Amino acid sequence: GAVVSQHPSRVICKSGTSVKIECRSLDFQATTMFWYRQFPKQSLMLMATSNEGSKATYEQGVEKDKFLINHASLTLSTLTVTSAHPEDSSFYICSARAAKYNEQFFGPGTRLTVL
Amino acid sequence: AQKITQTQPGMFVQEKEAVTLDCTYDTSDQSYGLFWYKQPSSGEMIFLIYQGSYDEQNATEGRYSLNFQKARKSANLVISASQLGDSAMYFCAFIRISSGSARQLTFGSGTQLTVLP
Repeated sequence: GAVVSQHPSRVICKSGTSVKIECRSLDFQATTMFWYRQFPKQSLMLMATSNEGSKATYEQGVEKDKFLINHASLTLSTLTVTSAHPEDSSFYICSARAAKYNEQFFGPGTRLTVL
Repeated sequence: AQKITQTQPGMFVQEKEAVTLDCTYDTSDQSYGLFWYKQPSSGEMIFLIYQGSYDEQNATEGRYSLNFQKARKSANLVISASQLGDSAMYFCAFIRISSGSARQLTFGSGTQLTVLP
């Protein structure tokens, strides 16, 4: 199957700093990428959908100024958590989908801890 | 909006036995799909099986099969001959398939499966 990488896998930062998470599709062109957040023992919650070259579509309740998403190329999307606070601590997972396919391929996730 | 329900927060099964994980969905769409994913403690999402709403036969992938009952709007996952490595969280997910759809996944709340030796 297709491979999606995420970097970093784990990050610990101080409150007030910004953190950037990268999501890359390694062997296919991802026309659409999705960002999810998952709290412990809970399900994945979609944060936003991004299409290459256009602005991301955010789900209700997700602050677009807080969670900046950029999908500059067909293989890379980034999520920047700005001015992170302890309540932003979570597991962030990206997924990527190629055009004409329904299946999403998931990255391994990034565990963010904000102190 | 679609609603996906997994009514079993936790399940236990004896090694080598079969287990069924329940998933029901609520939609008015005609064209859609159901996915099952496995998430071990490492956090990675592992694709297991997919069923399209127009697929006439139930999907099977090795030890995984999907009991798709369209009229009941259920898509239960059956794992045969359980192994200790099957212990993980399992998520059912719905995808709307229509022209212009963003192909977003809507996830159920998950079932934590524990395989007992």
